[in-house]
Amino acid sequence: QKEVEQNSGPLSVPEGAIASLNCTYSDRGSQSFFWYRQYSGKSPELIMSIYSNGDKEDGRFTAQLNKASQYVSLLIRDSQPSDSATYLCAASREGRRALTFGSGTRLQVQP
Amino acid sequence: ETGVTQTPRHLVMGMTNKKSLKCEQHLGHNAMYWYKQSAKKPLELMFVYNFKEQTENNSVPSRFSPECPNSSHLFLHLHTLQPEDSALYLCASSQLNRDRYSPLHFGNGTRLTVT
Repeated sequence: QKEVEQNSGPLSVPEGAIASLNCTYSDRGSQSFFWYRQYSGKSPELIMSIYSNGDKEDGRFTAQLNKASQYVSLLIRDSQPSDSATYLCAASREGRRALTFGSGTRLQVQP
Repeated sequence: ETGVTQTPRHLVMGMTNKKSLKCEQHLGHNAMYWYKQSAKKPLELMFVYNFKEQTENNSVPSRFSPECPNSSHLFLHLHTLQPEDSALYLCASSQLNRDRYSPLHFGNGTRLTVT
């Protein structure tokens, strides 16, 4: 079982719609969670971090964490073609100094 | 310069060559990392350095040799690589503290092709 799992996609949504990206993790000791966006040929850039159960909003982005279900999600409201990228979910646990990444979900926003 | 800088951006090398990748961070972080990204695979952690000390080596073959002379610079020395080592190599930094894990900040990566 992969430590962090994501559907590879592509997830295709029309411009202006809500894109919902999901991630599950297997290690119950995971404590911190991050979403990164990676454009083709570029390096990952941090979009959101979330550390406690519930929702965290930042502009058009909302991260959701449910530790009981070992589930993290990222919602992108009013999706734009510029949001088209691969979204990486990552998790860390206390005592481990590096993040574990999922393989990413490719999002396509259709104009 | 700001952020995390990696050089070179692209590298083509033969299997018998020796080359080095360089990374420099200007964020004042105390930890640096090497990750490998191959097509359609998750980012793979290779090495972690905290205050110049290697704290993690993720079963990486010895043909990859890291060096961290100080908390701002990180190198990855390459020798006798295999074609399957062709990938994007990403350097990252973060600030490790007791209370909370801080996110990684990535450099632009080195696209390595082994011929």
